[in-house]
Amino acid sequence: DAGITQSPRYKITETGRQVTLMCHQTWSHSYMFWYRQDLGHGLRLIYYSAAADITDKGEVPDGYVVSRSKTENFPLTLESATRSQTSVYFCATGTGGSIEQYFGPGTRLTVT
Amino acid sequence: QKEVEQNSGPLSVPEGAIASLNCTYSDRGSQSFFWYRQYSGKSPELIMSIYSNGDKEDGRFTAQLNKASQYVSLLIRDSQPSDSATYLCAVSGGGADGLTFGKGTHLIIQP
Repeated sequence: DAGITQSPRYKITETGRQVTLMCHQTWSHSYMFWYRQDLGHGLRLIYYSAAADITDKGEVPDGYVVSRSKTENFPLTLESATRSQTSVYFCATGTGGSIEQYFGPGTRLTVT
Repeated sequence: QKEVEQNSGPLSVPEGAIASLNCTYSDRGSQSFFWYRQYSGKSPELIMSIYSNGDKEDGRFTAQLNKASQYVSLLIRDSQPSDSATYLCAVSGGGADGLTFGKGTHLIIQP
């Protein structure tokens, strides 16, 4: 049972390019979350989803787009990547919005 | 804006001793509290959750919550070198909008 998988694990892209980070879960948790982790800032919430077709902004949503057409998938798209979006991105799932969350392995994104 | 504060450390503790990690939060309405452990280059791993005032024990770990003082702590007994990691405190207000994390405390267990 893989739980949560993220792909790619590492990505290098250029400024201005569109890039999509994938998150897939096998637990059927209703909630899914995207965080970014940066030195000096800790983990910050980008977007979250309470169920398929329901998404909402977190603390730092600008420059990101999400969708959730299926319960198990929650892709995060950077429409036009900027260097400030260089970060480690974690997907997480949970059975509620305010209870335990379980994290995927992360994607390290570098924007050059 | 909700804030969660932790001492960044590093906190150095001898092997076998008790490690004490602390966290304060700003939102008095917070209802759920969590401790995550994160090894370098890895993802956060949930180790403890606590929802009511008092202590909660799980093996070598004890979480303590004092809502009046807006304070959460994590005690690690019989510290082992494998406990060396960054410990993240996370708080939820009870809504659907996820967790607010502290920046973490870097713990080093010295053999």
